[in-house]
Amino acid sequence: QSVLTQPPSASGTPGQRVTISCSGSRSNLGRNSVSWYQQLPGTAPKVLVYSDNQRPSGVPDRFSGSKSGTSASLAISGLQSEDEADYYCATWDDSLNGVVFGGGTKLTVL
Amino acid sequence: EVQVVESGGGLVRPGESLRLSCVASGFNFPAYWMSWVRQAPGKGLEWVANIKQDGSVKYYLDSMRGRFTISRDNAKNSVHLQMNSLRAADSALYFCARVHAGNLCPDYWGQGTLVTVSS
Repeated sequence: QSVLTQPPSASGTPGQRVTISCSGSRSNLGRNSVSWYQQLPGTAPKVLVYSDNQRPSGVPDRFSGSKSGTSASLAISGLQSEDEADYYCATWDDSLNGVVFGGGTKLTVL
Repeated sequence: EVQVVESGGGLVRPGESLRLSCVASGFNFPAYWMSWVRQAPGKGLEWVANIKQDGSVKYYLDSMRGRFTISRDNAKNSVHLQMNSLRAADSALYFCARVHAGNLCPDYWGQGTLVTVSS
């Protein structure tokens, strides 16, 4: 069982907006910023969002992150077929002294 | 362009050891923490270890402390993971990644090197 909780699956149709949640606790999301990753089938994870809501250069602005208290969300607007992938959240946990990941959310574009 | 390339994976028997390596380029390597993360087949991401810029601070997942050792060589832009007493449960794709300073989480990842532990 992962320290950060994500829904195992999410889905949407092309053009829709979907959100993926990530729930933690005071020792992790309550104190540290969240990162979000996209993992396309058979590839390495790619960072989409860091420091709660910052996008690296090259990541489309269709991807946006937010955080409030011990919960975080990744929103994907204008859903495209190429967005079909696994999405993970992660942060540092001050009690465990380590990085903790969510279990991952498999996004299906219908 | 940031690049991270892992090597050293392979097939080993339970109880044996393996040393993974990672070479980075495209950024000021000595200025960054580095990380190892693994992913078992069909499973999610599991953090393994982080190492500070000068190698003076190392963090490990509890279940790996004592068996795995992370190290780095800033002169060669490389980071290593020495894995001892390997078990079948350690079979996974091992990723090396640069760490973002803000929350000590990976940002740029390599493609991974596969470790299989089987008799």
